[in-house]
Amino acid sequence: DTGVSQNPRHKITKRGQNVTFRCDPISEHNRLYWYRQTLGQGPEFLTYFQNEAQLEKSRLLSDRFSAERPKGSFSTLEIQRTEQGDSAMYLCASSLGQAKVYEQYFGPGTRLTVT
Amino acid sequence: AQRVTQPEKLLSVFKGAPVELKCNYSYSGSPELFWYVQYSRQRLQLLLRHISRESIKGFTADLNKGETSFHLKKPFAQEEDSAMYYCALIPGSGNTGKLIFGQGTTLQVKP
Repeated sequence: DTGVSQNPRHKITKRGQNVTFRCDPISEHNRLYWYRQTLGQGPEFLTYFQNEAQLEKSRLLSDRFSAERPKGSFSTLEIQRTEQGDSAMYLCASSLGQAKVYEQYFGPGTRLTVT
Repeated sequence: AQRVTQPEKLLSVFKGAPVELKCNYSYSGSPELFWYVQYSRQRLQLLLRHISRESIKGFTADLNKGETSFHLKKPFAQEEDSAMYYCALIPGSGNTGKLIFGQGTTLQVKP
């Protein structure tokens, strides 16, 4: 499968714990996006990278959230001191270059449940 | 504020009937508008883009700047069209690729 992959697919954690998710984009894609989706809502933009540079962060991304893309390939999203309100589906997407940023290829998502 | 509104959570039609999924947007500039679709057990994927003016799987969408709408239409629905549909916009020149999604509409096509 050469599509976007995300791991883990499901994560259950207790409030206050830290969690980290990984996203592997399509190999030639230099843009990588993170979105969060709660039940009954569309995905909400969190942040995006152009290669290894993080170019924009949403106000939704509190100080407890950090994302990296160290070598311009895979990306990680870490949530520290999780809260119940962090329970959601976390989606990663990638796209090819600046001319095709609108054609984003989504991963299957990581479903986080905070108990 | 940038916002996309899809007023219907669920649209249920019979096979062969016309379909119109409504989308309204709020944006002061000229956004780029898209429809994304998620079929059962599949990933979210791009269906069409307003600039391309294409018909994809029989679906078309026309941007109406006066009414700030981008409704998705198909003259004859098929059962395989059953899916969740999201309207989305990219603000500004579109360089960021930052998609702003609506809440989504589930289309159910009954046999």
